[in-house]
Amino acid sequence: KNQVEQSPQSLIILEGKNCTLQCNYTVSPFSNLRWYKQDTGRGPVSLTIMTFSENTKSNGRYTATLDADTKQSSLHITASQLSDSASYICVVSAYNFNKFYFGSGTKLNVKP
Amino acid sequence: NAGVTQTPKFQVLKTGQSMTLQCAQDMNHNSMYWYRQDPGMGLRLIYYSASEGTTDKGEVPNGYNVSRLNKREFSLRLESAAPSQTSVYFCASRISGTVSYEQYFGPGTRLTVT
Repeated sequence: KNQVEQSPQSLIILEGKNCTLQCNYTVSPFSNLRWYKQDTGRGPVSLTIMTFSENTKSNGRYTATLDADTKQSSLHITASQLSDSASYICVVSAYNFNKFYFGSGTKLNVKP
Repeated sequence: NAGVTQTPKFQVLKTGQSMTLQCAQDMNHNSMYWYRQDPGMGLRLIYYSASEGTTDKGEVPNGYNVSRLNKREFSLRLESAAPSQTSVYFCASRISGTVSYEQYFGPGTRLTVT
């Protein structure tokens, strides 16, 4: 069964600290993995996309990694800011099936 | 360039009432989607439209109907609302073809059915 699991469900960190969010998937055949940021009361917005051949990709203070062998991805946030408070959603696409599998998200709260 | 817009932003319905959620995009995208988001769960696909004139069921289509009015607009209708349909509804659109193309989401409609 194609599934996407994210951990932790929620996380509280102090401003300026780093954190890492995890995403494990069983989607096959794998096409790509996206990380979305969803602010409260808004729709998700794409942060980065990882394809099979990519191990690491950065977008400012956000760095995503992908291990296609173990079917795991992580999103590392460096020097967190209050504006990083949001839910982060991992979405995996299945090749040739035009389908998207959503994780339930990690809710990050950055406190001053 | 407004992206994906949804109306209304909030709605309260009584059980058995009907309503239509509206979605429009100005990015000339072929594919459009309706999702629902419930606490503790990932977004679940209700219906999608790969191109103008076509619609297909997603994971949770029961109790919903859709209309792809033209390339820009994709509406979701609840014929007889039930409390189980209380949720936040998101419309999304993207370029057709490879799944590498990003989905762009609207701001959502928060629906409460009492």
